[in-house]
Amino acid sequence: AQSVTQPDIHITVSEGASLELRCNYSYGATPYLFWYVQSPGQGLQLLLKYFSGDTLVQGIKGFEAEFKRSQSSFNLRKPSVHWSDAAEYFCAVTPNDYKLSFGAGTTVTVRA
Amino acid sequence: IAGITQAPTSQILAAGRRMTLRCTQDMRHNAMYWYRQDLGLGLRLIHYSNTAGTTGKGEVPDGYSVSRANTDDFPLTLASAVPSQTSVYFCASSPGPSKNEQFFGPGTRLTVL
Repeated sequence: AQSVTQPDIHITVSEGASLELRCNYSYGATPYLFWYVQSPGQGLQLLLKYFSGDTLVQGIKGFEAEFKRSQSSFNLRKPSVHWSDAAEYFCAVTPNDYKLSFGAGTTVTVRA
Repeated sequence: IAGITQAPTSQILAAGRRMTLRCTQDMRHNAMYWYRQDLGLGLRLIHYSNTAGTTGKGEVPDGYSVSRANTDDFPLTLASAVPSQTSVYFCASSPGPSKNEQFFGPGTRLTVL
């Protein structure tokens, strides 16, 4: 069965600093890959997704992610974080069916 | 445009009671999903429906049932609630297979005492 690992439970970053959130997956083939963000008390919102093609994908809110097949990774990055980026971030994968598997999430705290 | 609505927003329930969480979408999406979110575990799929009239089991289906009588509604029922079902429940929908984005509702916080 496929699995998704987000090694960092909690990351604290200063406003204006760069951010990188790690995601590794375990699956035989290249799955479809997603990053979602959850603001406090809210549902999840899609940041970006990767299906095929260019391994660097751009998303909303200035986020990007890079797919590295050799490392089975799909890390999320943002060059300069804003206080509004404080949230929980989830990596998710799916093979070619209807079901998403989510990582445990990484909580991002932004300090002034 | 409402997207996905869930009701109730929160509920405290005595163990052994029956409870139905409601989910309605107005996007005419074919696929709908129920997840539970628990600290440190992320979101886990309970049940899903690829299209009206069909349902399937997810990762943690025990103790839950669903129905999909029409495109818009996908209720989740706990026949006899237990404390381990205390969680935040999210309903989601997508136009079709998981290649499409899933849109999430605001969630229902359920506490079973």
